[in-house]
Amino acid sequence: AQTVTQSQPEMSVQEAETVTLSCTYDTSESDYYLFWYKQPPSRQMILVIRQEAYKQQNATENRFSVNFQKAAKSFSLKISDSQLGDAAMYFCAYRSWTSGSRLTFGEGTQLTVNP
Amino acid sequence: NAGVTQTPKFQVLKTGQSMTLQCAQDMNHNSMYWYRQDPGMGLRLIYYSASEGTTDKGEVPNGYNVSRLNKREFSLRLESAAPSQTSVYFCASSTGGEPEKLFFGSGTQLSVL
Repeated sequence: AQTVTQSQPEMSVQEAETVTLSCTYDTSESDYYLFWYKQPPSRQMILVIRQEAYKQQNATENRFSVNFQKAAKSFSLKISDSQLGDAAMYFCAYRSWTSGSRLTFGEGTQLTVNP
Repeated sequence: NAGVTQTPKFQVLKTGQSMTLQCAQDMNHNSMYWYRQDPGMGLRLIYYSASEGTTDKGEVPNGYNVSRLNKREFSLRLESAAPSQTSVYFCASSTGGEPEKLFFGSGTQLSVL
């Protein structure tokens, strides 16, 4: 079975600074997807970024980018120019190539953005 | 644009009581899912339905039953609630195809006393 680990229960960053959230995973599969989801206090789950394992290029979405290290099974999220609205719980998630949207989530990292 | 609608948003039960969490999507998605979220554990899959008429167990199915009533609706039932089932429950549906997109409801906060 796949596992996803987020070793940072809490992180904080100053507004306009950069922060990196860590995620590691364990799998025996070669093809899969990785995701970062944001959950603000509203509880809504919002997809931040997605990475296909077969793609060597790291995914980027505006101020959000990932560092995907397949051999190391590492998938970190970098948030640049942090904004107050970035404050939320962030979840890393894994999806097998053939499992539909049956996701395995990490424990989550609570991000605080200080003004 | 309703998306995925869950009812109720909050519920308090006594141990041993039963209840059904309702979920409906208006996006014509084949696949639907129930997750629970607990502090320090992320979201875990309870049950899923790949298509109308089919359901399968996820990671934590014990104590729950599901019904895929039709393509739109996927309900989660607690027959005899236990304090360990205190959690936030999320229903979700997915588009299928690639890139597959997952849409979440807004969650149900359930407390079992």
